[in-house]
Amino acid sequence: AQKITQTQPGMFVQEKEAVTLDCTYDTSDPSYGLFWYKQPSSGEMIFLIYQGSYDQQNATEGRYSLNFQKARKSANLVISASQLGDSAMYFCAMREGLGGNNRLAFGKGNQVVVIP
Amino acid sequence: DADVTQTPRNRITKTGKRIMLECSQTKGHDRMYWYRQDPGLGLRLIYYSFDVKDINKGEISDGYSVSRQAQAKFSLSLESAIPNQTALYFCATSDWTGGMGANVLTFGAGSRLTVL
Repeated sequence: AQKITQTQPGMFVQEKEAVTLDCTYDTSDPSYGLFWYKQPSSGEMIFLIYQGSYDQQNATEGRYSLNFQKARKSANLVISASQLGDSAMYFCAMREGLGGNNRLAFGKGNQVVVIP
Repeated sequence: DADVTQTPRNRITKTGKRIMLECSQTKGHDRMYWYRQDPGLGLRLIYYSFDVKDINKGEISDGYSVSRQAQAKFSLSLESAIPNQTALYFCATSDWTGGMGANVLTFGAGSRLTVL
């Protein structure tokens, strides 16, 4: 079964507007971590933000915030004040458990295009 | 210099050829990973290693092998390449501080492999 689901089609967003990227996850482990990575057209994977399952507050990193809704198993990424450089693929990923293997399961990604 | 270096960055080969993708890191991390990215499928884990003597299969290890030559080096081999192994391959590393710390994966720039 798919652990991470990202189903939005490609998105166009106006520069300076906010955009929300949906991510739902599936796990029965109470201990897990959620990540978002950005992949621009150049291909590298860039870490954006992390949320632990026991974190009480939503994670924020500059213009990125993670809307963590534990009961709904949802970890949406919000990018505020979009910039042209935000055009990229965005991947949600999950690490399950405390065992230390640190394997990430990735979703299929969301394509975002920021238009001026 | 990059923290995680992959070579070659691009490779075109023919069916049946043996291919090795190399990864070296300067982060001093114990954990290293090989992922494969296909369009529309996200990243999938091929192999991972916690230290020089520890090698583990990921979700799609068939047709691949790995070697952890040193803490800093982790190579991926395709013994007899086939066209459906055409993909973008990523090496990644991580530290492990235990518990629910982020222990973020740091990715190399990727190796694009085409098997004709």
